[in-house]
Amino acid sequence: DAGVIQSPRHEVTEMGQEVTLRCKPISGHDYLFWYRQTMMRGLELLIYFNNNVPIDDSGMPEDRFSAKMPNASFSTLKIQPSEPRDSAVYFCASSPGPERSGANVLTFGAGSRLTVL
Amino acid sequence: QQQVKQSPQSLIVQKGGISIINCAYENTAFDYFPWYQQFPGKGPALLIAIRPDVSEKKEGRFTISFNKSAKQFSLHIMDSQPGDSATYFCAARPYYGGATNKLIFGTGTLLAVQP
Repeated sequence: DAGVIQSPRHEVTEMGQEVTLRCKPISGHDYLFWYRQTMMRGLELLIYFNNNVPIDDSGMPEDRFSAKMPNASFSTLKIQPSEPRDSAVYFCASSPGPERSGANVLTFGAGSRLTVL
Repeated sequence: QQQVKQSPQSLIVQKGGISIINCAYENTAFDYFPWYQQFPGKGPALLIAIRPDVSEKKEGRFTISFNKSAKQFSLHIMDSQPGDSATYFCAARPYYGGATNKLIFGTGTLLAVQP
């Protein structure tokens, strides 16, 4: 398996533009997570899905952020409009369901580094 | 919202020394405490983990010590090597009457092991 695949790896955009980050989880994993990493706050959970259904979006900063998972192999995190304070590394991670082998392990992608000017 | 506090923010250790990173959690039910290791340009990866019914777990040079009454746990890296230089995150998994796989992470510790 190629692991969790994220794109783009780097994104530089101007304030006010729409940003879409993409994630392909590991095949067969039931859970998908979006995290944001900054120096000040470390790794923050933004939202997570179970079987494509959003379970907890309490970490989403505000209405400018939205996430979707239209099928088991694809998820997007969208920021519209983007602001300089959104600059961070955004990670997608996936894990198996609780009854499966490796259920406790989150596998992270390589991240998408976002810079909003 | 931060329920897991991690210290120190950064740590410099000489090769062969012991690296110690500490974490404390607040009044929330957690059932699983992993440590993740992150190298520059990569995503975090699971290093070692412990459950609250165990006070210590050792895997090679890495040991987790867990103090349930104090709500604290720590990572010890024995015989630290330059290849251990990375950012380390502690984490805790909330328990809501069933496993969620949701992890709350600490803010991270940047470890530098000098040769």
